[in-house]
Amino acid sequence: QKEVEQNSGPLSVPEGAIASLNCTYSDRGSQSFFWYRQYSGKSPELIMSIYSNGDKEDGRFTAQLNKASQYVSLLIRDSQPSDSATYLCAVNGGRAGAGSYQLTFGKGTKLSVIP
Amino acid sequence: DTGVSQDPRHKITKRGQNVTFRCDPISEHNRLYWYRQTLGQGPEFLTYFQNEAQLEKSRLLSDRFSAERPKGSFSTLEIQRTEQGDSAMYLCASSLVLSRNEQFFGPGTRLTVL
Repeated sequence: QKEVEQNSGPLSVPEGAIASLNCTYSDRGSQSFFWYRQYSGKSPELIMSIYSNGDKEDGRFTAQLNKASQYVSLLIRDSQPSDSATYLCAVNGGRAGAGSYQLTFGKGTKLSVIP
Repeated sequence: DTGVSQDPRHKITKRGQNVTFRCDPISEHNRLYWYRQTLGQGPEFLTYFQNEAQLEKSRLLSDRFSAERPKGSFSTLEIQRTEQGDSAMYLCASSLVLSRNEQFFGPGTRLTVL
């Protein structure tokens, strides 16, 4: 059973539009949720973290968490071609144990912003 | 601002050889993690240190893999008797104890086993 699932994409949006990236996780005990951006050939870069239900905004990015539905999403407003990358959802806690700090990643969603 | 650094950035080796990678975390970060990433997959957890203590190790990790963090600063990851299936990007990350586990990644070491 996959623990963190993401639509692999590619997701194509026009420049200036809102990109919506989704992630579901299987372990109800998960406590911390992260979004990473990864450009081709580069390492993951942390862009958002969220720990409680609701929305968290940072610039053009909004992370949304719904623990009851085991769902976390990332919205990117006013998408730019430089946002074209793979977005990784990562989850901490749950089955790995309360004292575990390992992150479990999805496979990522490839986003393409078309000029 | 000094981020996580890793050395070497690329390593090509022949099957059966041993390789060692180094990671220097962000200064003052007392947690250090190793992950492995293959094409089209997300990073996969390998092991984790808090200071010099290795506190978690993936059950999937072969006994050919060993990691150390002897003085609680830099860490090394050694792979013995490399196999072609070990070819991957090896990522190191670090975090602060009070940061709610926000992990920051280094540039990675890309290993190719011929």
